[in-house]
Amino acid sequence: DAKTTQPTSMDCAEGRAANLPCNHSTISGNEYVYWYRQIHSQGPQYIIHGLKNNETNEMASLIITEDRKSSTLILPHATLRDTAVYYCIVRGNSGYALNFGKGTSLLVTP
Amino acid sequence: EAQVTQNPRYLITVTGKKLTVTCSQNMNHEYMSWYRQDPGLGLRQIYYSMNVEVTDKGDVPEGYKVSRKEKRNFPLILESPSPNQTSLYFCASSLSTTGSTEAFFGQGTRLTVV
Repeated sequence: DAKTTQPTSMDCAEGRAANLPCNHSTISGNEYVYWYRQIHSQGPQYIIHGLKNNETNEMASLIITEDRKSSTLILPHATLRDTAVYYCIVRGNSGYALNFGKGTSLLVTP
Repeated sequence: EAQVTQNPRYLITVTGKKLTVTCSQNMNHEYMSWYRQDPGLGLRQIYYSMNVEVTDKGDVPEGYKVSRKEKRNFPLILESPSPNQTSLYFCASSLSTTGSTEAFFGQGTRLTVV
């Protein structure tokens, strides 16, 4: 699975959009981009995933660049409960383990 | 409610005393796995199972055993725990291992071996 690069930490004001970037320049054609988050020491929580097209669900939007070398997770109206570590993971069909890396620590402030 | 349930949530034990951490999922998932999480090292896979009676080693399997006798259960066994196995453990399950399948995680088991 391709490696990902994320900023170590980010801040966001409550009610504003949080835009979390991820670079995955070595991604191959059949690999998906996944986002998970981990609130404090709870179990990682699935957020969203995509292959080529932008995706949206009730939690977030995922914007993938046309060359697929980077993506952005958007939390449209961040709340204090969105404070967590966010992991961008690239996964193909033969991947058994999820490579979580270090993720981005997002702090949402009042 | 679809969920992965681990027990216990917290455990303190002594070196060498065998223990089992249970994991159960109610989603009829084929694939299950165990991870441990340590500061500075992130989440690392210990063992995984593709289906009943099929298990394989992950990245850090030493000192652990698993079994998959039923589809819903995937216990993690520490035959002789040591202090370096003090960690936060997570069980996960997913429908399959294809690239388009999300994983569901349990709430974690915090194990301390003294």
